[in-house]
Amino acid sequence: TQLLEQSPQFLSIQEGENLTVYCNSSSVFSSLQWYRQEPGEGPVLLVTVVTGGEVKKLKRLTFQFGDARKDSSLHITAAQPGDTGLYLCAGEQDSNYQLIWGAGTKLIIKP
Amino acid sequence: SAVISQKPSRDICQRGTSLTIQCQVDSQVTMMFWYRQQPGQSLTLIATANQGSEATYESGFVIDKFPISRPNLTFSTLTVSNMSPEDSSIYLCSVEVGIDYGYTFGSGTRLTVV
Repeated sequence: TQLLEQSPQFLSIQEGENLTVYCNSSSVFSSLQWYRQEPGEGPVLLVTVVTGGEVKKLKRLTFQFGDARKDSSLHITAAQPGDTGLYLCAGEQDSNYQLIWGAGTKLIIKP
Repeated sequence: SAVISQKPSRDICQRGTSLTIQCQVDSQVTMMFWYRQQPGQSLTLIATANQGSEATYESGFVIDKFPISRPNLTFSTLTVSNMSPEDSSIYLCSVEVGIDYGYTFGSGTRLTVV
């Protein structure tokens, strides 16, 4: 079974603080996707990274894909209450169309 | 990206009954995916539905319990049969839009079996 280990599973911080969520694996992925899910909704894609070493920025969110394409991180700067949600990473492999999902990070930003 | 209409959004069902969940996509897609999710947790793939062929089920999920229909390229249903409280969960359908666009999900069906 291929695993994508996501950490932390739960994070509660004050507004304005920074945070990083990690997804690590021993397997290589052709792409890695990050989703955010709010209660009562399905996950919504934030970004897809496909190139080793790639860095993508989405306003206060910075996504990195490891050089070896085995790990990824999501960094949020100056977190806001609107960032609250469940963050999920998911890896795709060339040999398998199915996504491999991380366990999810439940993020709460307190005003 | 695609837009998926999923219904019902929630239901409370008696044990032993069945519930059919519908997903309608606003564009034609080859594969549709059905997931189960406990609130606040990750997703578990139930099956992949291709139009014109039987669905492919993941380990731990069987067709008799979770029959799937895929009559055309824009529509699919998942039935949860002979329900028990252990089936209480969120059920989601999903389609892949393209490598740059990832997967689009329906808004989910929150099922409670009593």
